[in-house]
Amino acid sequence: EVQLVESGGGLVQPGGSLRLSCAASGFTFSDHYMDWVRQAPGKGLEWVGRTRKKANDYTTEYAASVKGRFTISRDDSKNSLYLQMNSLKTEDTAVYYCVRVPATWAFDYWGQGTLVTVSS
Amino acid sequence: DIQMTQSPSSLSASVGDRVTITCRASQGISKSLAWYQQKPEKAPKSLIYAASNLQSGVPSRFSGSGSGTDFTLTISSLQPEDFATYYCQQYNSYPITFGQGTRLEIK
Repeated sequence: EVQLVESGGGLVQPGGSLRLSCAASGFTFSDHYMDWVRQAPGKGLEWVGRTRKKANDYTTEYAASVKGRFTISRDDSKNSLYLQMNSLKTEDTAVYYCVRVPATWAFDYWGQGTLVTVSS
Repeated sequence: DIQMTQSPSSLSASVGDRVTITCRASQGISKSLAWYQQKPEKAPKSLIYAASNLQSGVPSRFSGSGSGTDFTLTISSLQPEDFATYYCQQYNSYPITFGQGTRLEIK
């Protein structure tokens, strides 16, 4: 069974940093691109970014709203995905989801999400 | 960026009704279109990929169609568990973008 479990959310002050983790199981993690998607309270879904797999040099893509502040990385030996968030703003407050990207390119599995609150 | 516009934004319907939600892309995206269902306080669930292909385990009352800029999600006979918010998503080009959502409520 595919499982994605996010952790690391919490309350952080504006300008602060936070690192989210996503533990993957039930599939060959190293074979997949992985994305982060977020959802602000009461709002819609917003794509945050992507990490490709080793065969694609672990290259990344980011939404303009987070580029230069957020960094996506992965550790295939630990079946883990990470989101390093720096210079956090109040508008980064959201539930952050880890999602798997299959060969069909549309997301198939989502984690349960972890809440990040940026507030003073 | 490709803008995705869903209509309607909200919809009231009854169990057994046939419902159609529309998604329009601001430029052509071929068939790179997915649909997701989200219930309150839950993670989204993947329904359809490549405009018309059901994800594994999704009931056959769900169907999708379209290509280019205009797409539809149809639920042939609404069940109580289908009342939720639905999102379309394009993955043809970066940044990946979602529609604003369609809230399907019980009449």
